[in-house]
Amino acid sequence: DAKTTQPNSMESNEEEPVHLPCNHSTISGTDYIHWYRQLPSQGPEYVIHGLTSNVNNRMASLAIAEDRKSSTLILHRATLRDAAVYYCILREGFQTGANNLFFGTGTRLTVIP
Amino acid sequence: NAGVTQTPKFRVLKTGQSMTLLCAQDMNHEYMYWYRQDPGMGLRLIHYSVGEGTTAKGEVPDGYNVSRLKKQNFLLGLESAAPSQTSVYFCASSYSIVVEAFFGQGTRLTVV
Repeated sequence: DAKTTQPNSMESNEEEPVHLPCNHSTISGTDYIHWYRQLPSQGPEYVIHGLTSNVNNRMASLAIAEDRKSSTLILHRATLRDAAVYYCILREGFQTGANNLFFGTGTRLTVIP
Repeated sequence: NAGVTQTPKFRVLKTGQSMTLLCAQDMNHEYMYWYRQDPGMGLRLIHYSVGEGTTAKGEVPDGYNVSRLKKQNFLLGLESAAPSQTSVYFCASSYSIVVEAFFGQGTRLTVV
């Protein structure tokens, strides 16, 4: 499975936008880009996913580079509740077994009041 | 709609004891997964199932067994617990391979 690279940690001030980067230079044409986050002492929570085009939902936006070798998760106004570890994951878009979500160590986002 | 429910939430075992972790989902999902998360690390896949009656090994299957006799339940068993199995265990389910997975709240297992 293709790997992703994320910064270990980032900080943001409350109510400001946050851009969380992810590099995935070995992405294949059928890999979807998924983002999950894990709040302290909780299970991972789905945030957003996309294939080629930018995506928006109520939680965040996902900006995908034209060559798909990188992507950015955008939180438009960070709140204290957004403090979590954010995981960028590639998931194959066709059935090859588990289609596992391979979690790396993610980016720990700290939101400063 | 409860989503994904894990039972129990906490457990302490002695080395060599056995136990079963239960994962139940009420979303009629085909895919179910068991992960473990060690301190400061991401989640690693133990076993998974792509449908009722099917199971398969993930990244770290040694020391664990699973069963999926009913579509809504996925059981993770430890036959002879070891301290190295001290971890937080997460169950997840998803409807298909490309949409989101839903995770349970985790089971914190300590083996002494």
